[in-house]
Amino acid sequence: DIQMTQSPSSLSASVGDRVTITCRASQGISNYLAWYQQKPGKVPKLLIYAASTLQSGVPSRFSGSGSGTDFTLTISSLQPEDVATYYCQKYNSALALTFGGGTKVEIK
Amino acid sequence: EVQLVESGGGLVKPGGSLRLSCAASGFTFSSYSMNWVRQAPGKGLEWVSSISSSSSYIYYADSVKGRFTISRDNAKNSLYLQMNSLRAEDTAVYYCARGEDDYEYYFDYWGQGTLVTVSS
Repeated sequence: DIQMTQSPSSLSASVGDRVTITCRASQGISNYLAWYQQKPGKVPKLLIYAASTLQSGVPSRFSGSGSGTDFTLTISSLQPEDVATYYCQKYNSALALTFGGGTKVEIK
Repeated sequence: EVQLVESGGGLVKPGGSLRLSCAASGFTFSSYSMNWVRQAPGKGLEWVSSISSSSSYIYYADSVKGRFTISRDNAKNSLYLQMNSLRAEDTAVYYCARGEDDYEYYFDYWGQGTLVTVSS
């Protein structure tokens, strides 16, 4: 099975900082990667699909990039409302729709 | 407005059974794949099972294969998860989530979740 590894597992940054989260697949998955945001006590929300396509209504400070095995979620200017745990998910095969372990983002 | 409302969670003893339901509204239910994703307390997200729009294709995580059964009733706009032989490690919030289509299994809408607790 393809494993999805996120790093870091947590980070603390200041408001306005550029934040980068990495997701690595143990085998190539083309661009079949989605990113989700889960705020404390809330339901997960789709941010990005196809590695770099922003879901409707998601602020433009969020962006995604990558293909194959290495992917990145970037928040260009961290805002207080971005405090959340972020998950990547591969969907190249419906036989195993694996999530990454999550990255918890906090404000310094 | 897309709405997904789960029900059926609760406390069950190890080895017991439970049936979860998800009532969908605000979209053409029969055109979308549907999914179950769970989250153990304080843990990350874990995909459980998926079903294509016409029920032609069904997929399970290895951790639930042989114990859980996903199904849907397009006439009733409803998704189900029959859970048998429940274990303590099945304790989690179970989310119903809509898939983009039958080929792109990422999840664009999620329900609020229903808590399943497996404990003696």
